[in-house]
Amino acid sequence: GENVEQHPSTLSVQEGDSAVIKCTYSDSASNYFPWYKQELGKGPQLIIDIRSNVGEKKDQRIAVTLNKTAKHFSLHITETQPEDSAVYFCAASIGYALNFGKGTSLLVTP
Amino acid sequence: DTAVSQTPKYLVTQMGNDKSIKCEQNLGHDTMYWYKQDSKKFLKIMFSYNNKELIINETVPNRFSPKSPDKAHLNLHINSLELGDSAVYFCASSPRLAGGVETQYFGPGTRLLVL
Repeated sequence: GENVEQHPSTLSVQEGDSAVIKCTYSDSASNYFPWYKQELGKGPQLIIDIRSNVGEKKDQRIAVTLNKTAKHFSLHITETQPEDSAVYFCAASIGYALNFGKGTSLLVTP
Repeated sequence: DTAVSQTPKYLVTQMGNDKSIKCEQNLGHDTMYWYKQDSKKFLKIMFSYNNKELIINETVPNRFSPKSPDKAHLNLHINSLELGDSAVYFCASSPRLAGGVETQYFGPGTRLLVL
C-alpha cells in the first residue's frame, strides 16, 4: 500500500519567517495530495490540495509543490503568524482512501 | 451550521462495554469515512462507505462495525471495548465524483477513553 513519510516532526519558526514541510510517497499511481491543519481539540481542516497534473498551487500565504518524478511534495507557508501554530498533515491517495503522514507540529513564536 | 457532526464529543467507558458513535453530514456528499487517530496523532482510515455501500474496510478488528442507514449518516459501533481502542475517532465525508478521491471534510472528533 501507499506509504507517506513527513518531515520534520516538529518545526519552530519566528513570526514572519517561512515554514516548509516535506512529504514523500511510495506509490507512483497516487494522484491527489491534500494538506490538512489540525488545531488542538479539533478535526483536520483542508488548507490546500494539489493533483498530479499540476506542479504548484498557491493560495495567499500557502503554496504546495509536487515533484512526481521524485515522488515528493512540500507545503510552504510564508509570513508565518502565531495562529499558524498547529499540527499539519500531508496525505496521498490513489482511490477513495487518504494515506496520511505522521504530522508536523508547527510552532510560530512572536 | 456544522457540515460534519459527531456525537458524542467525549466518551469514557469501561473495558468490555459496547458503545456507538454517530456521524451526520449535511453537505449532500455520497461518501463517508471513519478514521482513527492514536495518541501519537497518526491518522488511519478504518472504513469508507459510498452511497450506503462499504467500499473500504481496512484491517480493523471485527468488534468494529460501521452502519450507514442513509448516505448522510455513518455510525460506528464498537463491541467489547479494549484499552487499545482509546483514541480520537474522526468521521469525514467527500462528494462522489468520477476518478475516486475528492476533498474530505472532517468532523470534530470523538475522544474515546476506555478504562
